[in-house]
Amino acid sequence: DAKTTQPTSMDCAEGRAANLPCNHSTISGNEYVYWYRQIHSQGPQYIIHGLKNNETNEMASLIITEDRKSSTLILPHATLRDTAVYYCIVRPLNQAGTALIFGKGTTLSVSS
Amino acid sequence: EPEVTQTPSHQVTQMGQEVILRCVPISNHLYFYWYRQILGQKVEFLVSFYNNEISEKSEIFDDQFSVERPDGSNFTLKIRSTKLEDSAMYFCASSAARTANTEAFFGQGTRLTVV
Repeated sequence: DAKTTQPTSMDCAEGRAANLPCNHSTISGNEYVYWYRQIHSQGPQYIIHGLKNNETNEMASLIITEDRKSSTLILPHATLRDTAVYYCIVRPLNQAGTALIFGKGTTLSVSS
Repeated sequence: EPEVTQTPSHQVTQMGQEVILRCVPISNHLYFYWYRQILGQKVEFLVSFYNNEISEKSEIFDDQFSVERPDGSNFTLKIRSTKLEDSAMYFCASSAARTANTEAFFGQGTRLTVV
């Protein structure tokens, strides 16, 4: 099962920042935090990932707490097209592979 | 921008029939995955594939399923004898490496309907 806890749903006004929290209190030192999203029934879309430092790309920012037990995905200016299910995933590293294990995610609804 | 391509987008098959879902991963990627998503449920990992062999598989990936990379570009998922409960969206994904620091990119999926 997924090692993360996310709120089931969140709302955000268009143009405002969307801050999506994720708890991963049992994360180990060699595990990365990944964020994906799924718009309607499309394929999951990669957003960002990080280990312990904060990360930013053209889509979002990822803030990871110093103890690495939680993180926040920030969409700085949410648009209607950002309405989606957002998945926070802790990615294990083992000998066999590094499969992404999806949980139920957070349904973000952006409204005008 | 390179992308993972899946065909067909929708396939309808009769129960008991064999079905092959096709994927063209991003060209320089080496690590491939199949996932499925039953309507209204979460995305579930099926199998990962590297260097022409299965690296990891879930409990869902039983003897009815098989994967193959028949040539240098395609990656396929075969379901030998489909059941009604195999109806789902099937997503293929690929990544450039097998490390935890390498993102995977997903295709748009094949919707499989078993009747």
